[in-house]
Order: sequence, then structure tokens, then C-alpha cells
Amino acid sequence: GAGVSQSPSNKVTEKGKDVELRCDPISGHTALYWYRQRLGQGLEFLIYFQGNSAPDKSGLPSDRFSAERTGESVSTLTIQRTQQEDSAVYLCASSQIGTGLLSLHFGNGTRLTVT
Amino acid sequence: SQQGEEDPQALSIQEGENATMNCSYKTSINNLQWYRQNSGRGLVHLILIRSNEREKHSGRLRVTLDTSKKSSSLLITASRAADTASYFCATDINTGANNLFFGTGTRLTVIP
Repeated sequence: GAGVSQSPSNKVTEKGKDVELRCDPISGHTALYWYRQRLGQGLEFLIYFQGNSAPDKSGLPSDRFSAERTGESVSTLTIQRTQQEDSAVYLCASSQIGTGLLSLHFGNGTRLTVT
Repeated sequence: SQQGEEDPQALSIQEGENATMNCSYKTSINNLQWYRQNSGRGLVHLILIRSNEREKHSGRLRVTLDTSKKSSSLLITASRAADTASYFCATDINTGANNLFFGTGTRLTVIP
């Protein structure tokens, strides 16, 4: 596709339920990032995938958060036992590492509301 | 903690005026980038300035970088209502981490 695609665009879930968010990066982009953005705030780094290397999970806020990526394609971010504090927009970005300069291409995000 | 901090947090100007936003960061960088975010959308890359550059232009955008002060500014000249958005600086820090650290953003409102 032409850009980074995220689904769903909106998700409302009850506290305690699990949710899965999906990201389709730009074809050929080896790097994929997940960020969290709370209302009116900046971006909080969650996790980074680069090719077949072990992901950088240093930003995941708790063990309820996990993410997977198969090869250089789709990634899913899973939040288990959701809490109201998880309500935020979850942004995915991809990049083509190795061109010398890193700039990210973002999707429009998934707005998660935990009730 | 976040690497960058923008100020002001919010800025409201009349159409045609110039808008200046500032970003300060904490550690040495490879480059600094500015992104724009329209409400309800993802971020869009605007401009990148390398650590060995001091000023860069792109259309109505002018970015400066002062590595001695660990600060950058984004100037939007002759603003338009369509420039209304949040603007974020992001730093590619010098650790080889291939990650960007974003600031808290400046919310710009351009009044027609």
C-alpha cells in the first residue's frame, strides 16, 4: 500500500478484556515502531522491530503489553486485561533503515477507549 | 523520560503572521526532525536537520539547530489556517538505537 495502515481505527472495550491492534507497514520498510499517545500528550515509545533482530521492548509499560511481527510485514500489539489507563491512541510507524537517515512514516493510529 | 521538550505548549496567531516553536533536548544527537500532526491523524515528517547543520529551509519552514545549547527552533512564515496542527520535534540520539524520541509538542492554532 501507499502508506502505513492501522486497524481498527477506533476500539472501545471493557476493562479486563484483551485487545489486538494491527499495523501494516510500508512495503520494504524493515523497521517498525509502536508508540502510545495519551490525549494532548507527546509520543511514548513502546517497542521497535528491525528485520529479524530481537525487538527492543524497553518501552513496554507492563507485562500486559506484547507485540509480534512476522518477518518484515504485519505487526500486532496486544494488550491483555485492559485498564482505563490504557486508553490512548496507539500509533505505528515504519522506516527503511540503512539509508543513512532515519525518518518515520506513521499510520493514523488506533484510538483505544477502555470503559 | 522524553528526550525533547517543546515550548510553547500552545500558540495562537493570526493568519499571515509567523509562528516560532522551540525544542530543547538532553543528549547528543545524530539529527533532529520536526513532525506535524493534524487532529486525529498520524504524524507527518516535515524536515530533518543534521547535527552538523545550523539552519535548513523547506518552503515556508525554517529550522535552526544549536548543538551547544541543545536546542532547535521551527519557524513557519506567512502562516495559513491550514497550518493549524500540533508540531513535534524528534531526536535521533547518538546511541545507534535507531529510534526517535519525541517531545511533548506545540499546539498551533492559526486564526483566519
